[in-house]
Amino acid sequence: DAKTTQPPSMDCAEGRAANLPCNHSTISGNEYVYWYRQIHSQGPQYIIHGLKNNETNEMASLIITEDRKSSTLILPHATLRDTAVYYCIASTGNQFYFGTGTSLTVIP
Amino acid sequence: NAGVTQTPKFQVLKTGQSMTLQCAQDMNHEYMSWYRQDPGMGLRLIHYSVGAGITDQGEVPNGYNVSRSTTEDFPLRLLSAAPSQTSVYFCASSYDGQGSGSEKLFFGSGTQLSVL
Repeated sequence: DAKTTQPPSMDCAEGRAANLPCNHSTISGNEYVYWYRQIHSQGPQYIIHGLKNNETNEMASLIITEDRKSSTLILPHATLRDTAVYYCIASTGNQFYFGTGTSLTVIP
Repeated sequence: NAGVTQTPKFQVLKTGQSMTLQCAQDMNHEYMSWYRQDPGMGLRLIHYSVGAGITDQGEVPNGYNVSRSTTEDFPLRLLSAAPSQTSVYFCASSYDGQGSGSEKLFFGSGTQLSVL
């Protein structure tokens, strides 16, 4: 599965949109882009995933570039509860490599 | 539904002891997996299974054994614990793990293991 690259940390003001980038330049055609987050030492929580098209659900939006080499997770109105480590993963679905993710801090 | 249940939540072992970390899911998921997470690091895949009777290795399989005799259970065995295996262990499951695009992983709450 393709490796992903994420910035180690980001800050975001409460109420503003949080835009978390991910680079997956070696992604193959059958690999999906998944996003998970981990709050404190809890088990990671699924956020969203997509193949080619942009996706939106009740938690977030996922924007995938046309060449699929990068993506952005958007939390439209960040709250303090969104402070977590966010993982971007490229996978066909049977091996998920989490990497070290982006530590997002939402600032009051 | 209970989801993914891991037991125990905490365990302390002495070097050389053996133990089994239990993982059970009640969602009829075909795919199950084990991860370890060391301080300040992401999760690393130990072993996974795409169905009963089928297991495969992940990134860091050495020192761990698994088996999958039923769809519901996927135990992780440490045959001779070492201090390097001190970590938090997470079990996760998903619908099928066959690349259908339905692979949302559901995680258990983790087992904190210390090997002295």
